[in-house]
Amino acid sequence: DAGVIQSPRHEVTEMGQEVTLRCKPISGHDYLFWYRQTMMRGLELLIYFNNNVPIDDSGMPEDRFSAKMPNASFSTLKIQPSEPRDSAVYFCASSLSSSGNTIYFGEGSWLTVV
Amino acid sequence: KNEVEQSPQNLTAQEGEFITINCSYSVGISALHWLQQHPGGGIVSLFMLSSGKKKHGRLIATINIQEKHSSLHITASHPRDSAVYICAVDTGNQFYFGTGTSLTVIP
Repeated sequence: DAGVIQSPRHEVTEMGQEVTLRCKPISGHDYLFWYRQTMMRGLELLIYFNNNVPIDDSGMPEDRFSAKMPNASFSTLKIQPSEPRDSAVYFCASSLSSSGNTIYFGEGSWLTVV
Repeated sequence: KNEVEQSPQNLTAQEGEFITINCSYSVGISALHWLQQHPGGGIVSLFMLSSGKKKHGRLIATINIQEKHSSLHITASHPRDSAVYICAVDTGNQFYFGTGTSLTVIP
């Protein structure tokens, strides 16, 4: 299996632009997680899906952030409009269950908003 | 107050030393994860524990549910073990993360 695939790996964008991060989970996994990592706040869970349905989005920082999972093999995290404080590494991960199973991480999308 | 506390924050060891990283948590959990993040940024899940002890190669993870404490041990440490080790707990509907322990193993 190719593992969790994220794109883009790196993105530099100007403040105010829309950013879309993409994730393909491991086939057969029914949970998908979006995390953000910054030096200041460490690793934070933003939102997770079970069977394509958002379960907990309490970690989503504000209305500028939205996530979708239109099917079992694809999810997006969108920031509109982006701000410099959104600069971070965004990780996508998947697992067979929200607990009791190993979580597999993608390599991350490094976002810089200037 | 953080739900997950890790210690130490930073650790430098000589190659071959036995290393212990500790994680204490204050919430009820269904599982605890140990994650490893290498300098390149990628995150790897090392262990998922709900009780007892697990071993994988030179890595051992233990958990004491009553004391709400977990430890990650590395035997015969090697420079390639240099990474940030993160403890994460799963309450069943939320995840909480420790701030990580940065380990440097010197040859």
